[in-house]
Amino acid sequence: EPEVTQTPSHQVTQMGQEVILRCVPISNHLYFYWYRQILGQKVEFLVSFYNNEISEKSEIFDDQFSVERPDGSNFTLKIRSTKLEDSAMYFCASSEMDTEAFFGQGTRLTVV
Amino acid sequence: DQQVKQNSPSLSVQEGRISILNCDYTNSMFDYFLWYKKYPAEGPTFLISISSIKDKNEDGRFTVFLNKSAKHLSLHIVPSQPGDSAVYFCAARSSSNTGKLIFGQGTTLQVKP
Repeated sequence: EPEVTQTPSHQVTQMGQEVILRCVPISNHLYFYWYRQILGQKVEFLVSFYNNEISEKSEIFDDQFSVERPDGSNFTLKIRSTKLEDSAMYFCASSEMDTEAFFGQGTRLTVV
Repeated sequence: DQQVKQNSPSLSVQEGRISILNCDYTNSMFDYFLWYKKYPAEGPTFLISISSIKDKNEDGRFTVFLNKSAKHLSLHIVPSQPGDSAVYFCAARSSSNTGKLIFGQGTTLQVKP
């Protein structure tokens, strides 16, 4: 069964460093998303991406964040200068048009 | 701004019984609702969904009911099994946006053998 895959599963980084979280969405999907879940809180939308551009972003997704689809398979989230409060589980998801989103296993980001 | 609320943080039921998980929403633009199941250290797994043009959708042991006038939906699991123990998230979206999902806080279900 096709699935969304994310790497790495766990990333530890020092405050102020750049991180790139990687995702391979399901191949025939057209919509791509990043969500995050801070420990003990709800899953929060960060950004949606369609047709090679951001279609919507939340207020969390400030100038420190960026997304890219560098080739036909990968979808990345970059955080330029990490803060302690960026520590969370980051989930990539993908969907076809108007259908349910399928989520990856997540990347646990720990900023120290 | 809690547009999707799951007011019960936890629920415990006996194996074989019915589990009922509830969800309320405030945004009348939402027209598609989903339930996801999540185990620790894993991503949410899609369970079942319902469009606002329906009031019920069934898939095996899982049934979702939608009451639009009350802005309320529920997930019924019958019969409950110990493997159903997980966190269940209700999510909603509007067809006028980009597919963005708004999640509730989650309900932890424990099914006791």
